[in-house]
Amino acid sequence: AAGVIQSPRHLIKEKRETATLKCYPIPRHDTVYWYQQGPGQDPQFLISFYEKMQSDKGSIPDRFSAQQFSDYHSELNMSSLELGDSALYFCASSLVAGRGRNTEAFFGQGTRLTVV
Amino acid sequence: AQKITQTQPGMFVQEKEAVTLDCTYDTSDPSYGLFWYKQPSSGEMIFLIYQGSYDQQNATEGRYSLNFQKARKSANLVISASQLGDSAMYFCAMREGTDSWGKFQFGAGTQVVVTP
Repeated sequence: AAGVIQSPRHLIKEKRETATLKCYPIPRHDTVYWYQQGPGQDPQFLISFYEKMQSDKGSIPDRFSAQQFSDYHSELNMSSLELGDSALYFCASSLVAGRGRNTEAFFGQGTRLTVV
Repeated sequence: AQKITQTQPGMFVQEKEAVTLDCTYDTSDPSYGLFWYKQPSSGEMIFLIYQGSYDQQNATEGRYSLNFQKARKSANLVISASQLGDSAMYFCAMREGTDSWGKFQFGAGTQVVVTP
């Protein structure tokens, strides 16, 4: 079965550079989430999109922006990279079910960003 | 305030034994979903099992079962017949609200090491 695809898997950037992370959700999933996981930490929510509109926002720095496109893929753009941005970035996708019902969600394999 | 609490930072378990990973949660919303994810050293986040707040039966998926005690707000994961490949970090997560696109909130995780 198709899973959530993230690219690239690994990325090395220098301080002050920009990076773009891509996420391709499971077909027919309409919700995408972005998470940041620092070393030895639990994943921290950054931002989410439902039907191409931002649905929630977490602790996402102003230097970061994200969007979901018409084909439902999403991109996380990160500018003025700092050493502290080095982390594993996950994308997850989910399908909105009926009101009052949660659904399972699946994560991609993550993009490991290293800022040097 | 921490919504998901995993009190066991790490544990050892012998191969073929069962292990229970604790998870308690805090929410005032009647509709929520509880998830367990496995994160091996390679970093990917692997979905294991899901329990909805309205589900009457405890969820089971192969060797994984979820001991859902709603009144106690606990959702412990039971792994039966542990295998060496079960060594990983395990995260408990929750999504709240009737909006099924709610973000995931993670616990701090439990590191499981399975020994021969």
